[in-house]
Amino acid sequence: KQEVTQIPAALSVPEGENLVLNCSFTDSAIYNLQWFRQDPGKGLTSLLLIQSSQREQTSGRLNASLDKSSGRSTLYIAASQPGDSATYLCAVGGGGYQKVTFGIGTKLQVIP
Amino acid sequence: DTGVSQNPRHKITKRGQNVTFRCDPISEHNRLYWYRQTLGQGPEFLTYFQNEAQLEKSRLLSDRFSAERPKGSFSTLEIQRTEQGDSAMYLCASSSRTAIYGELFFGEGSRLTVL
Repeated sequence: KQEVTQIPAALSVPEGENLVLNCSFTDSAIYNLQWFRQDPGKGLTSLLLIQSSQREQTSGRLNASLDKSSGRSTLYIAASQPGDSATYLCAVGGGGYQKVTFGIGTKLQVIP
Repeated sequence: DTGVSQNPRHKITKRGQNVTFRCDPISEHNRLYWYRQTLGQGPEFLTYFQNEAQLEKSRLLSDRFSAERPKGSFSTLEIQRTEQGDSAMYLCASSSRTAIYGELFFGEGSRLTVL
């Protein structure tokens, strides 16, 4: 059974700081890995999708990396802004119908 | 393309009542998923449809839960005889068979409060 762990559970940083969120998973036979953002009481917004054959993806100030062999992914956020405050969820896809397993998220607060 | 749409956004009901949630996926997406999320937790898989066929159900989906996708378009999730433990956010997601790597797109969710 796939298990996904996200560290830290919560993070508070001053505006402008670069930061790294971590995700680890127990079964390296994955199909893809997706990072999501969730604002309080809202649904999930897709940020980045990394295919199992890729090592990283970039979108604006976000960069996600994937090391399948070690079961790890990181989400790097450059020059953080107060608007980045949200919960960030890592989701690992695997299985014939792409069953997705989520971590519990990292709650990020960026202080102006 | 209006994205994944879920209704109602919030439902408050008394214990023992039945509730139904609806999900309209992105129009060309043939894969549809239901997830449940409780406070402080990540979403947990409930069930998966490919077109109109329900291909997988989680053990979390007790006999009181039923999901349908009759014409391979919208889907409904019904909870019968609701219990306080059913209070959660119910999330719907869809993905496209032509998107090789299966990117999931989520709706805003339907929050259920059972009194």
